[in-house]
Amino acid sequence: EADIYQTPRYLVIGTGKKITLECSQTMGHDKMYWYQQDPGMELHLIHYSYGVNSTEKGDLSSESTVSRIRTEHFPLTLESARPSHTSQYLCASSRDVYNYGYTFGSGTRLTVV
Amino acid sequence: KNQVEQSPQSLIILEGKNCTLQCNYTVSPFSNLRWYKQDTGRGPVSLTIMTFSENTKSNGRYTATLDADTKQSSLHITASQLSDSASYICVVSATGGSYIPTFGRGTSLIVHP
Repeated sequence: EADIYQTPRYLVIGTGKKITLECSQTMGHDKMYWYQQDPGMELHLIHYSYGVNSTEKGDLSSESTVSRIRTEHFPLTLESARPSHTSQYLCASSRDVYNYGYTFGSGTRLTVV
Repeated sequence: KNQVEQSPQSLIILEGKNCTLQCNYTVSPFSNLRWYKQDTGRGPVSLTIMTFSENTKSNGRYTATLDADTKQSSLHITASQLSDSASYICVVSATGGSYIPTFGRGTSLIVHP
């Protein structure tokens, strides 16, 4: 059973609003990731972290930002949401550099109107 | 460049039938290969993980095989059920570089009654 939690599960907001998607894991994993996935499409890595105070941009350019102040918490923030940000956002974590124990959260489905 | 190619892109089968999904990769040096099942609107859930020395791994009606020499893997589903309708994603991790896993685009499986 997954020990990585994402909130909210669904979010509908207006254009221009600031939002934060939450991701927390209780497994003590150092590595955490954010992926963006449109319906029926592949996952795209947008941010990752190797540990506290470490954040890197992924393969897909994103206007979002992340922070890693605590090992268990890896929030993603959009300063000004736009309709183009409408997508599913998935958080994941792994226990080591070889990605054993790679676990996904249930995702946040974001709709910007 | 590390790549993971999956085939077929989509597959429709009748309930009770078997099917096999393919995954070819160029990730090197190889660490492990995982198969995930992703239901619509949910996060991926791990089915199997195999390292270099493993060539078969089963999880209920799911059996994954790995040929590290030819860099090919397959996922065989036996006696399919309606609940098997999902996207199946092959993910390969390397032992070096950025350690970011490489995702395939997935195979969309639809099981009809």
